Amino acid sequence: QITLKESGPTLVKPTQTLTLTCTFSGFSLSTSGVGVGWIRQPPGKALEWLALIYWNDDKRYSPSLKSRLTITKDTSKNQVVLTMTNMDPVDTATYYCAHRRQQRLGVLVFDYWGQGTLVTVSS
Amino acid sequence: QSALTQPASVSGSPGQSITISCTGTSSDVGGYNYVSWYQQHPGKAPKLMIYEVSNRPSGVPDRFSGSKSGNTASLTISGLQAEDEADYYCSSYTSSSPLVFGGGTKLTVL
Repeated sequence: QITLKESGPTLVKPTQTLTLTCTFSGFSLSTSGVGVGWIRQPPGKALEWLALIYWNDDKRYSPSLKSRLTITKDTSKNQVVLTMTNMDPVDTATYYCAHRRQQRLGVLVFDYWGQGTLVTVSS
Repeated sequence: QSALTQPASVSGSPGQSITISCTGTSSDVGGYNYVSWYQQHPGKAPKLMIYEVSNRPSGVPDRFSGSKSGNTASLTISGLQAEDEADYYCSSYTSSSPLVFGGGTKLTVL
């Protein structure tokens, strides 16, 4: 049974760096083909893909946010960490981590999602 | 603005069929058979309903089906049920990014 859960601050100030942790179970990020991604959703708005890390430490980022994002993994702890620099009120959103469905490399389909964590950016 | 265009809302009565469209370009929807659909109930995480245009994950009712023609993908729900009322998002692989989502469609069951 695959589960994922996001954790991190609920409130950050503008210009600060956000660090979110995804703790998962039911799979290993050392298994070939496995990936974990981050997706966010501003209140009342659409989903937006942010980043993904593969089992082999290959990383992919949204082109529009690439300069602000870093994704890392700790395989021994079953965790994936996302950092986003220079936070702004427009970054207020629910942040989800999700398990990438096993299929052709480079194709992102998420079959298991965490419950999400709401991050508010405000001074 | 989302890369993929969806209608803001659709509605239907129980038992009817509805179709939600997802329009992109030849660089995303039209160029690859990697369109997915997600269902999201209020306050919940998205749920994968369709992947690779028309494939259903285990556990998704066969009332849900997907298709594609040119640059437009479609999600059809037949035999509409009250629990189908939710937001639906399409997504696609693109030539410039591994993943983009549509703007979402709110389905109302009348």
